[in-house]
Amino acid sequence: DVKVTQSSRYLVKRTGEKVFLECVQDMDHENMFWYRQDPGLGLRLIYFSYDVKMKEKGDIPEGYSVSREKKERFSLILESASTNQTSMYLCASSSVGTYYGYTFGSGTRLTVV
Amino acid sequence: DQQVKQNSPSLSVQEGRISILNCDYTNSMFDYFLWYKKYPAEGPTFLISISSIKDKNEDGRFTVFLNKSAKHLSLHIVPSQPGDSAVYFCAASRSNNAGNMLTFGGGTRLMVKP
Repeated sequence: DVKVTQSSRYLVKRTGEKVFLECVQDMDHENMFWYRQDPGLGLRLIYFSYDVKMKEKGDIPEGYSVSREKKERFSLILESASTNQTSMYLCASSSVGTYYGYTFGSGTRLTVV
Repeated sequence: DQQVKQNSPSLSVQEGRISILNCDYTNSMFDYFLWYKKYPAEGPTFLISISSIKDKNEDGRFTVFLNKSAKHLSLHIVPSQPGDSAVYFCAASRSNNAGNMLTFGGGTRLMVKP
């Protein structure tokens, strides 16, 4: 069964902490994405990557950075967590040239206190 | 500016009846559309899609209709079942965009009452 695995289901962090959210996929997909889901706002793209060491800003990159050192792993970094970054974070992957959309992970519910 | 909009944040339907979820888009370059279903504490899962060369695609109880001139698509679920209760996201893509990037709507929470 193909998978996108997010390392934590729930996280509680303090304001100002550096936070790492990890995502691993086992489908050899080229593309990987980080979204956040907030009520009424749907899924908003933070960053995406279409190749190792490549990254592109999405719609709301401020306060975030990413790292993709290996094809299967895409990390989201909150440099200095703030309360407005409390959200559900969803990682996804997809294969170039297919239109079956994304495969999503189960999400990480991050609370910043 | 939201390029994909789902104007109804929630919808309540009786079991056995039809559920109709709507989605509007503004970017005429979108040529592929998808619906995702999301249960609480889970990631969204792909449900059904449609290419802009079609106006209808059917998969079991789920049918998606596309009206390109109105820039509108809808998802019909017939008959609705309690297990269909979830948040539904509409998404759109352009075939020539790097990374097959999807633009999502805000979601509609469907509640199917027994």
